[in-house]
Amino acid sequence: GAVVSQHPSWVICKSGTSVKIECRSLDFQATTMFWYRQFPKQSLMLMATSNEGSKATYEQGVEKDKFLINHASLTLSTLTVTSAHPEDSSFYICSARTPGLSTDTQYFGPGTRLTVL
Amino acid sequence: AQKVTQAQTEISVVEKEDVTLDCVYETRDTTYYLFWYKQPPSGELVFLIRRNSFDEQNEISGRYSWNFQKSTSSFNFTITASQVVDSAVYFCALSEPRQGGKLIFGQGTELSVKP
Repeated sequence: GAVVSQHPSWVICKSGTSVKIECRSLDFQATTMFWYRQFPKQSLMLMATSNEGSKATYEQGVEKDKFLINHASLTLSTLTVTSAHPEDSSFYICSARTPGLSTDTQYFGPGTRLTVL
Repeated sequence: AQKVTQAQTEISVVEKEDVTLDCVYETRDTTYYLFWYKQPPSGELVFLIRRNSFDEQNEISGRYSWNFQKSTSSFNFTITASQVVDSAVYFCALSEPRQGGKLIFGQGTELSVKP
């Protein structure tokens, strides 16, 4: 149980284009999803917290107009990197939290590796 | 402020050795949760353990064991008889319910187990 998927697993795009990454909870309903970014050899940094049906809460320093997050259903959240630039190249990971016994346990997706040329 | 420190950036051991990964945390809350995740080269984070602040019992799961000591704000992770498949980056993390359950990660410890 508690499986989270991400699509695509990797993407290469040209500078200036937009890229959408999907995060799905496959066997549970996720009222809250989180988006992280990880640069090579570094730790995970939280970008934003996404609650179903409401606007995402962004961490300090994260541009909300550049990283658009939509959490339209209890099983799907999307992250759109708008007008991507080479410095946006990174490993993007989502996680989902399920209400219940393990309310503070986050289950992570496999990640999406974004390369912007 | 919340903070997690994993002072060991890289550890290299030979197979069958025991290895301990250190984790020290800072929090002002009395209610919090501590986690360990494993990140193999594939990149996916694998959940290993969750411990709440009111449960200081040590835990053992196969070759893995965890030592939680509130007095020293530490939550150390020991792998007994390490194997090559244990090679990965291990992250310790902290979450506080009052902060919406956000995970604060340590810097990670890269463990390399050589045959």
